[in-house]
Amino acid sequence: GQSLEQPSEVTAVEGAIVQINCTYQTSGFYGLSWYQQHDGGAPTFLSYNALDGLEETGRFSSFLSRSDSYGYLLLQELQMKDSASYFCAVGGAGSYQLTFGKGTKLSVIP
Amino acid sequence: DADVTQTPRNRITKTGKRIMLECSQTKGHDRMYWYRQDPGLGLRLIYYSFDVKDINKGEISDGYSVSRQAQAKFSLSLESAIPNQTALYFCATSDSLSGNYGYTFGSGTRLTVV
Repeated sequence: GQSLEQPSEVTAVEGAIVQINCTYQTSGFYGLSWYQQHDGGAPTFLSYNALDGLEETGRFSSFLSRSDSYGYLLLQELQMKDSASYFCAVGGAGSYQLTFGKGTKLSVIP
Repeated sequence: DADVTQTPRNRITKTGKRIMLECSQTKGHDRMYWYRQDPGLGLRLIYYSFDVKDINKGEISDGYSVSRQAQAKFSLSLESAIPNQTALYFCATSDSLSGNYGYTFGSGTRLTVV
């Protein structure tokens, strides 16, 4: 089976940097992805790491270490609109469905 | 129009009633999924389909059934609704290239069973 662990809540100050960690256990691994969900909204895809290292997309970066079964999402220059829940997800071997973590609720404060 | 459309957006139904949630997509994706979201539990997979003739159970399929009427349509049914099926339901799609990460989600259906 597959399981993911991420913190349930994180609070950070506007303009700062925040890192949301994700550790996973999976019988097969086809990459770690990240989704953002605002309250009452649909999850939207943010980033994907298939290989070790850092992927950067604007203010957001995502990192993966396959040997450590660990990844993180880094949000820079935080804005109030970044307040949302963030989910990590893994794809398993031979299957094309994602297993999601329980989500991290990020609160950005002035 | 949205790429992935779910109807209804909100629904209140009584225990024991049969209810269908519908999902249609204009992205041309072959893969479609139904997820359930409960507070603090994240998104859990109910059923998924890789094409019209392919239906697979997910993590929490008991009490649910699905129908893939066409490549663009995937419906979820609750045969006899019960209160613990009260949740936010999401339909999602992906294609063969981004099938393992780049899902597109619908806006969700908030279902309340009383």
